[in-house]
Amino acid sequence: AQSVSQHNHHVILSEAASLELGCNYSYGGTVNLFWYVQYPGQHLQLLLKYFSGDPLVKGIKGFEAEFIKSKFSFNLRKPSVQWSDTAEYFCAVQANTGFQKLVFGTGTRLLVSP
Amino acid sequence: GAGVSQSPRYKVAKRGQDVALRCDPISGHVSLFWYQQALGQGPEFLTYFQNEAQLDKSGLPSDRFFAERPEGSVSTLKIQRTQQEDSAVYLCASSLAPGGGEQFFGPGTRLTVL
Repeated sequence: AQSVSQHNHHVILSEAASLELGCNYSYGGTVNLFWYVQYPGQHLQLLLKYFSGDPLVKGIKGFEAEFIKSKFSFNLRKPSVQWSDTAEYFCAVQANTGFQKLVFGTGTRLLVSP
Repeated sequence: GAGVSQSPRYKVAKRGQDVALRCDPISGHVSLFWYQQALGQGPEFLTYFQNEAQLDKSGLPSDRFFAERPEGSVSTLKIQRTQQEDSAVYLCASSLAPGGGEQFFGPGTRLTVL
């Protein structure tokens, strides 16, 4: 069975600081990887996804993530955060075979101070 | 519609009451998933439909939980004899492909059991 670990539960940054949120997964097979974001009062939205190919994927709003297969990691990065990035971020893994439920981490709550 | 919709957005139930939560997926989406999100946690899988067929219900926590999607579009999650531990946000997601792929989430129904 798959599992996902997000190491940072709460992160506080000032505007323009760089961001890296850790995500490690456990699964023996091929996976698809996702980062979802939930802004205050809004529903889960897809930030970026990795299915195959270039392990460095770019998403919306300047976010990117790198899949490192040997480390079972899919860390999220942004060079310079904005106040509007304040949200909760969820990493999720999906097996690449069979029907494909998402297995989520516990989330990281990011607060960006202006 | 433009996205996944869920109703009601908020539900307060007395312990022992039955509740029904509705999900309207994106039109034409074959796959429909239900997730449960407890406070401070990531969403956890409950059940999966491919069209009208419920192909996996392994995540349903007890036989008090029941889901259906009789015509392959709208789905209802029913919880009988609600307990306090059922308090959570119930999320519905749909995807175009059979089996999953990129999932689009609704706003959720926040259930509070008193």
